[in-house]
Amino acid sequence: SQQGEEDPQALSIQEGENATMNCSYKTSINNLQWYRQNSGRGLVHLILIRSNEREKHSGRLRVTLDTSKKSSSLLITASRAADTASYFCAPRPYTDKLIFGTGTRLQVFP
Amino acid sequence: DTAVSQTPKYLVTQMGNDKSIKCEQNLGHDTMYWYKQDSKKFLKIMFSYNNKELIINETVPNRFSPKSPDKAHLNLHINSLELGDSAVYFCASSQVAALQETQYFGPGTRLLVL
Repeated sequence: SQQGEEDPQALSIQEGENATMNCSYKTSINNLQWYRQNSGRGLVHLILIRSNEREKHSGRLRVTLDTSKKSSSLLITASRAADTASYFCAPRPYTDKLIFGTGTRLQVFP
Repeated sequence: DTAVSQTPKYLVTQMGNDKSIKCEQNLGHDTMYWYKQDSKKFLKIMFSYNNKELIINETVPNRFSPKSPDKAHLNLHINSLELGDSAVYFCASSQVAALQETQYFGPGTRLLVL
C-alpha cells in the first residue's frame, strides 16, 4: 500500500499544549498535504509542503518533511478545544492522485 | 456560497436498490473526485474526472458508475446496493491544470444500506 500512515492513531491533550502528529509514506512524492476533518464534515485543506521544502508554517501549524526518511510531521502549537478533529496526511506521488490514510484523531480538552 | 455541494446528505435504502448521489462545484475547477470513507475513517479514492473525462478508476465494483455531464458536476450512480456499500461518500474538486493541487471536499453523503 502506498497510503500515508499517521501516528498516533489517537491523541488526547489539554488546551494550551502542543500536538504532534506524524506521517510516513512509501513512495517518492511531489508534495505532501495535511487535511483536517471535523466530526461529520468533509475534509479541509490545511497546508501543502513540496518535496524540495523541509519546513512550512501557517499560523499555529508547523509542518516538516524529511524525504530521506519518507516522513512528515504536523505540529499544532497552543492547542484549542476547536482543534479537536481528525488530521490526515496525503502524500502525492508523481501522479495526480492523493493517497489518504486513516488519520490521527485529536481530542483537546478544555 | 457553497463551494462543493452534495445531495442528498443522508441516504437510507434497502439492499438491491439503485441510487444516485449528485455533486456540484462552483469553483471553476477542472478535476472532480469521488472518495469513500469507511467506518474506520479510511478515505479511498474511487474515481477522478478531468474536464468530463475519466482519468482515475480505482478497483471499484462496476455497480458504481460515475457520470460527468459537465465540468461542474460529477454524479455517482450505484446499482444493486449491498450492505458493504454503507459508508460516507465524499466529492472533491481541484484545479489540476493550474497546478493548484489543494482539493476541496463536499460535506459528504452518508449512505446506509439495510
